[in-house]
Amino acid sequence: SAVISQKPSRDICQRGTSLTIQCQVDSQVTMMFWYRQQPGQSLTLIATANQGSEATYESGFVIDKFPISRPNLTFSTLTVSNMSPEDSSIYLCSAGRQGGNEKLFFGSGTQLSVL
Amino acid sequence: DAKTTQPNSMESNEEEPVHLPCNHSTISGTDYIHWYRQLPSQGPEYVIHGLTSNVNNRMASLAIAEDRKSSTLILHRATLRDAAVYYCILRDWDKAAGNKLTFGGGTRVLVKP
Repeated sequence: SAVISQKPSRDICQRGTSLTIQCQVDSQVTMMFWYRQQPGQSLTLIATANQGSEATYESGFVIDKFPISRPNLTFSTLTVSNMSPEDSSIYLCSAGRQGGNEKLFFGSGTQLSVL
Repeated sequence: DAKTTQPNSMESNEEEPVHLPCNHSTISGTDYIHWYRQLPSQGPEYVIHGLTSNVNNRMASLAIAEDRKSSTLILHRATLRDAAVYYCILRDWDKAAGNKLTFGGGTRVLVKP
């Protein structure tokens, strides 16, 4: 199993600013992902964080808005840039080993409110 | 990505079994069927997964249709702590497919005392 720690757990930010969310896994994992969950909705995949290379973004998400870093096998950051109230959501980090037979683990999320 | 279809919500009485259906008619031969649940104010947690055969663990059982186009998650005795949104997701074992989990709408389970 893996334990995922996300920081901060919540934040209130002003429009136009940026926030960086950190995700730390307690064991080496192959795959790390970032999700967004808007109020009352399901999870939407933002991107796959790739170690040592650019993240792979899903349709509708771009690097300029959501830059992602993954310097090693246990750590990743997601930045929400130039925030607007529409970015108010829960952002979740997920990690696990590669393979359809492997389970993924999730952090408890970062609750972001943009004023 | 292969898609799944689940009912929006289900109700159950405490200590009774809950059967949560999932349709995945476009499933490919390399897709594993995963179930996760999300308790209020928490991130999703793994429940169970399978490929072709039925699976049991301490949390639940997974019954997979012979043609793999549908599956059912079974909570044998629902407790109030089982109230959550349950997601049925297909995860491809093929590396090239990205191994990502794509969430659908899920089923909100309400457990009545």
